[in-house]
Amino acid sequence: QVTLKESGPALVKSTQTLTLTCTFSGFSLNTGAMCLSWVRQPPGKALEWLAMIHWDDDKYYRTSLESRLTISKETSKNQVTLTMTDMDPEDTATYYCARSFVPTGTFFFDYWGQGTQVTVSS
Amino acid sequence: SYELTQPPSVSVSPGQTASITCSGDKLEDKDVSWYQQKAGQSPVLVLYQDVKRPSGIPDRLSGSNSGNTATLTISGTQAMDEADYYCQSWDTNTAHVVFGGGTRLTVL
Repeated sequence: QVTLKESGPALVKSTQTLTLTCTFSGFSLNTGAMCLSWVRQPPGKALEWLAMIHWDDDKYYRTSLESRLTISKETSKNQVTLTMTDMDPEDTATYYCARSFVPTGTFFFDYWGQGTQVTVSS
Repeated sequence: SYELTQPPSVSVSPGQTASITCSGDKLEDKDVSWYQQKAGQSPVLVLYQDVKRPSGIPDRLSGSNSGNTATLTISGTQAMDEADYYCQSWDTNTAHVVFGGGTRLTVL
């Protein structure tokens, strides 16, 4: 059974750095073609992909946020971490981690975490 | 960067067919996935590779992708189908995931 769960602070202040952790089970990021992404959703707005890490440690970031984001994995702990620097109230959102298994090269998210709500105060 | 465009809202009467479109340049050359998100819940994958349904998704939901438009069709729409729907694809040039802006389906 595949599960993902996000954890991190519910409240951060402007200019601080946010660190979120996705702890997963039921699969391994050592498996070829396995990937994990972070996706966020501001209140009342659309889903927004942020970053992805592949089984081979390749990393990809949303262009507009690339300078502020770092994604990493701790395979032995079944965890993926996202750090976002210089937080702003506009970064207030629910942050999700989601899995992709892409043996055919088609990226879609078959499992999602429950999401963690992050509020940025000014 | 690649963009996907969806209508903000679609309304349908119970039992009727709802169609939600997703537009992008030469979208037919890409694989499109669709997600259903009910209020307060995480998104759920309902279609991938344009037309495939994950286990547990009813065959009332179907998809197509031609030209610049992918379509999610819900036949015999039920109250339980009321949700936000997002299309998603992959920009091969940048290796980035792209989501559409979402469509709120209202079952009147």
